[in-house]
Amino acid sequence: DAGITQSPRYKITETGRQVTLMCHQTWSHSYMFWYRQDLGHGLRLIYYSAAADITDKGEVPDGYVVSRSKTENFPLTLESATRSQTSVYFCASSEGQREQYFGPGTRLTVT
Amino acid sequence: GENVEQHPSTLSVQEGDSAVIKCTYSDSASNYFPWYKQELGKRPQLIIDIRSNVGEKKDQRIAVTLNKTAKHFSLHITETQPEDSAVYFCAASRNAGNMLTFGGGTRLMVKP
Repeated sequence: DAGITQSPRYKITETGRQVTLMCHQTWSHSYMFWYRQDLGHGLRLIYYSAAADITDKGEVPDGYVVSRSKTENFPLTLESATRSQTSVYFCASSEGQREQYFGPGTRLTVT
Repeated sequence: GENVEQHPSTLSVQEGDSAVIKCTYSDSASNYFPWYKQELGKRPQLIIDIRSNVGEKKDQRIAVTLNKTAKHFSLHITETQPEDSAVYFCAASRNAGNMLTFGGGTRLMVKP
């Protein structure tokens, strides 16, 4: 589990601001994912990446941007934060036909 | 796309009793079904998974069953203990390691 980290762990930002959540994994896993977790909705996929420079939308991509220039990093950017984006964000990674490992999460509050 | 429904949303049992959580999925091409446990304030962690070529899988006190025809799968926890208290999520995917669609979660409370 120590192989996947997220920063910051907690963030408070204002409506309209840009904020970037970082995700770093040390396993060289091909796949990386971003989920948001809200009460009553479980975990919903925002974006995922199959390899460096390959990204694709998940279930709830609107308002988010991702990039993956290096295999180990998968940052998630909220271009103009809204209150509806207040949530806990989890990054995850996996390799091949194996389980997804989750990071510790980032709790984001948009005021 | 895939849709996964999970029931019940909350489940309260006495210590030592069994607990069963059920999920249904919509995409007949899904072939990988993991279960995650999430303790309060922690990250989800895989506790067991099953692939579509297997009907049942056990690991000590936990087991998962899969009915592909009916498109449903279940988590069974026997001899529950207070440390089993957590939120459990089922998920489905066409491939392990690929996009997961999660159920809404079940909050399990084990009363001592």
